[in-house]
Amino acid sequence: DTGVSQDPRHKITKRGQNVTFRCDPISEHNRLYWYRQTLGQGPEFLTYFQNEAQLEKSRLLSDRFSAERPKGSFSTLEIQRTEQGDSAMYLCASSAPGGAYEQYFGPGTRLTVT
Amino acid sequence: QKEVEQDPGPLSVPEGAIVSLNCTYSNSAFQYFMWYRQYSRKGPELLMYTYSSGNKEDGRFTAQVDKSSKYISLFIRDSQPSDSATYLCAMVNRDDKIIFGKGTRLHILP
Repeated sequence: DTGVSQDPRHKITKRGQNVTFRCDPISEHNRLYWYRQTLGQGPEFLTYFQNEAQLEKSRLLSDRFSAERPKGSFSTLEIQRTEQGDSAMYLCASSAPGGAYEQYFGPGTRLTVT
Repeated sequence: QKEVEQDPGPLSVPEGAIVSLNCTYSNSAFQYFMWYRQYSRKGPELLMYTYSSGNKEDGRFTAQVDKSSKYISLFIRDSQPSDSATYLCAMVNRDDKIIFGKGTRLHILP
């Protein structure tokens, strides 16, 4: 399977704990995006990388959120001191350079904060 | 006013009917217009994208963009129960920023 993969698919954590999600993009794509989606809403942009450079961050990405893409391949999204409001589906997508209109999404990581 | 407006539905139609899904937008800087399909608890799947105004057809799906009215549509012909999903419109501006609509839940009744 050469699509976008995400791990884990589901994560249940207690409030105050840290969590980390991983995304592996399509191999030839150098752009990688993170989104958050809550029930009944479309995906909301969080941040994106071109190769290893983080080019834009949404104001939705509070100081508790950090994303990395150290070697320009896979990326991680960490949430520190989780809050119940962080419960959502976290989606990763990738695209070719200049291809924001042709993003391919992974299956998502569903986070539940209890 | 939100940048992208999309009726959340649900929209229920009988199998075989033509489905029309729509979005309006306010930002004239949008250049690319996309439609994604999302099944429950899955990631969005890109159906098609168009650049500027006009129509684009792919099998049973037709995307239509009217930039003068800031209105886009997705038509599904010969709808099937497997088309039951949430359909998301999305748009990209010159800065490569992508904005999604809330999605319309579609039910095709057998």
